[in-house]
Amino acid sequence: GQQLNQSPQSMFIQEGEDVSMNCTSSSIFNTWLWYKQEPGEGPVLLIALYKAGELTSNGRLTAQFGITRKDSFLNISASIPSDVGIYFCAGQSNSGNTPLVFGKGTRLSVIA
Amino acid sequence: EAGVVQSPRYKIIEKKQPVAFWCNPISGHNTLYWYRQNLGQGPELLIRYENEEAVDDSQLPKDRFSAERLKGVDSTLKIQPAELGDSAVYLCASSRTGGVTEAFFGQGTRLTVV
Repeated sequence: GQQLNQSPQSMFIQEGEDVSMNCTSSSIFNTWLWYKQEPGEGPVLLIALYKAGELTSNGRLTAQFGITRKDSFLNISASIPSDVGIYFCAGQSNSGNTPLVFGKGTRLSVIA
Repeated sequence: EAGVVQSPRYKIIEKKQPVAFWCNPISGHNTLYWYRQNLGQGPELLIRYENEEAVDDSQLPKDRFSAERLKGVDSTLKIQPAELGDSAVYLCASSRTGGVTEAFFGQGTRLTVV
């Protein structure tokens, strides 16, 4: 089946630093989504991307849909302690007909 | 707007016992998903409903798992009998239609089988 590779698996950063994480796939996706999950909670949708090359921001978060349609990245600028959590990418190859496939997540720790 | 509601939040059962989870999706969302999330992994789809019809249940272990979505609103997921390997977080999500990818998740039910 389809698999998404997320990297890095985990990262420790100082408060105020910028963060970058990415997600790659062996197959083409039409949709990329980025979610954040905190302990004991369900994933919360951060950003949705629907077009190759699309760059979308949500506050300090910016995500891009790769031109090849096989990758996406998420940047967090000026990190703060509440950014701590696990960030998941998810992709869908055919809208409405195939399920979302999730990566294994990037665990972010922010040191104050 | 109320989010996806799941219950219970936590469940501990002995192996071979049955267990059921309940989900109420966001009002107006026709598509409902059940995902399973193992420790350290991303969510994996178990079943997807469009209204009351299960349109994708290829990953549902049908020998012990069953689901229903009567009347196309809330849904239940059942495991009978439970096995130790079923310990995981079971997440319910919903979206407006199958053509809209943005799925919104509930808080999940953490199942521990002992």
